[in-house]
Amino acid sequence: NAGVTQTPKFRILKIGQSMTLQCTQDMNHNYMYWYRQDPGMGLKLIYYSVGAGITDKGEVPNGYNVSRSTTEDFPLRLELAAPSQTSVYFCASSYSDYGYTFGSGTRLTVV
Amino acid sequence: ILNVEQSPQSLHVQEGDSTNFTCSFPSSNFYALHWYRWETAKSPEALFVMTLNGDEKKKGRISATLNTKEGYSYLYIKGSQPEDSATYLCAFPGGGADGLTFGKGTHLIIQP
Repeated sequence: NAGVTQTPKFRILKIGQSMTLQCTQDMNHNYMYWYRQDPGMGLKLIYYSVGAGITDKGEVPNGYNVSRSTTEDFPLRLELAAPSQTSVYFCASSYSDYGYTFGSGTRLTVV
Repeated sequence: ILNVEQSPQSLHVQEGDSTNFTCSFPSSNFYALHWYRWETAKSPEALFVMTLNGDEKKKGRISATLNTKEGYSYLYIKGSQPEDSATYLCAFPGGGADGLTFGKGTHLIIQP
């Protein structure tokens, strides 16, 4: 049982480039989330989804887009990368009110 | 935006000692309180989800209590071991599926 799988683990982007962070879960969880972790800050919610075809903005959505075409996949798209998007990104999923299962994270540097 | 406060920010504890730390959250419209353990270079791992006032949950040497009326939860570790070194996060749902609002965590270091 793989849980939540994130790829890539590391990436360096140049300013203005775009990329997609992949997230897949095999637990049939309805809820999926993208968080970013910056030094000295708590995890901040970027986007979330309550099921296939439904997404909504979290606390810090600017500069990002998501889609949820299937229950399993919840990719996060960065358009026109900026240095402020340098962070560690975590995808997570949950079943209703149970605890979240997190992926292993993607460390992104924008230079 | 919800405010979830954790204290202390960091904590050094001698191996074998017991310790505890606090999570404060809005007491109005309480829904649930989550605790996570986050080891360095790993991803956060769920410890407890607490929903009832007065609730107490236990997992090995780690336990947690919940006071929803006054808006706080304590996490206790009994007989700390080096493998308990981690950042402990608490999180509070915004309601429904709005996602969790996380505190900044308590960074626990167990010294041999």
